[in-house]
Amino acid sequence: DTGVSQDPRHKITKRGQNVTFRCDPISEHNRLYWYRQTLGQGPEFLTYFQNEAQLEKSRLLSDRFSAERPKGSFSTLEIQRTEQGDSAMYLCASSLTRTGSENNSPLHFGNGTRLTVT
Amino acid sequence: ELKVEQNPLFLSMQEGKNYTIYCNYSTTSDRLYWYRQDPGKSLESLFVLLSNGAVKQEGRLMASLDTKARLSTLHITAAVHDLSATYFCAVEEGGGADGLTFGKGTHLIIQP
Repeated sequence: DTGVSQDPRHKITKRGQNVTFRCDPISEHNRLYWYRQTLGQGPEFLTYFQNEAQLEKSRLLSDRFSAERPKGSFSTLEIQRTEQGDSAMYLCASSLTRTGSENNSPLHFGNGTRLTVT
Repeated sequence: ELKVEQNPLFLSMQEGKNYTIYCNYSTTSDRLYWYRQDPGKSLESLFVLLSNGAVKQEGRLMASLDTKARLSTLHITAAVHDLSATYFCAVEEGGGADGLTFGKGTHLIIQP
């Protein structure tokens, strides 16, 4: 178990550029979540996948944000036409969740991708 | 809309003292989590509380859940410097369909 891996760790981009972040979850985990965290705040839920299905995406901050998990393994989060307000830490988390089970794992978080938009 | 409030948001205390962090939430919930975050690092899971009256302990930390009061507490006993971190509570509803809703965190500094 190597944990949740995110790449890159840091990204600096100019306003208007597109950026894409990658997340590799813990291999046996079926759920994958994306969160955003700004300084001094708790993580804010963006979207999640169960296997390859994106089951919740209404919390994505705008239509500039999109996420994919094409084969139910790794996921990507893309931000198009970045704005300075997008500067934040983007966290990925995964869990093993079975409906009705009391033994579901807590979310395991990666180290995040810190985005700076200049 | 689920709201999660932590109290206090900032706490400075001396080693050896006891203190409690409070987490209130606004709707019924399936489960409650406590996480720890060190500066520049990701979140580490501390406790998962699944039912009313649940109590879990790990070292100097003990967490409890009162679902009727919609309140969870994280109690620190005889604090040591290594416990300095930011502590978040997070509440899950809808079987995870809405993700976790986090509080703003309690920034804890423990001084020698």
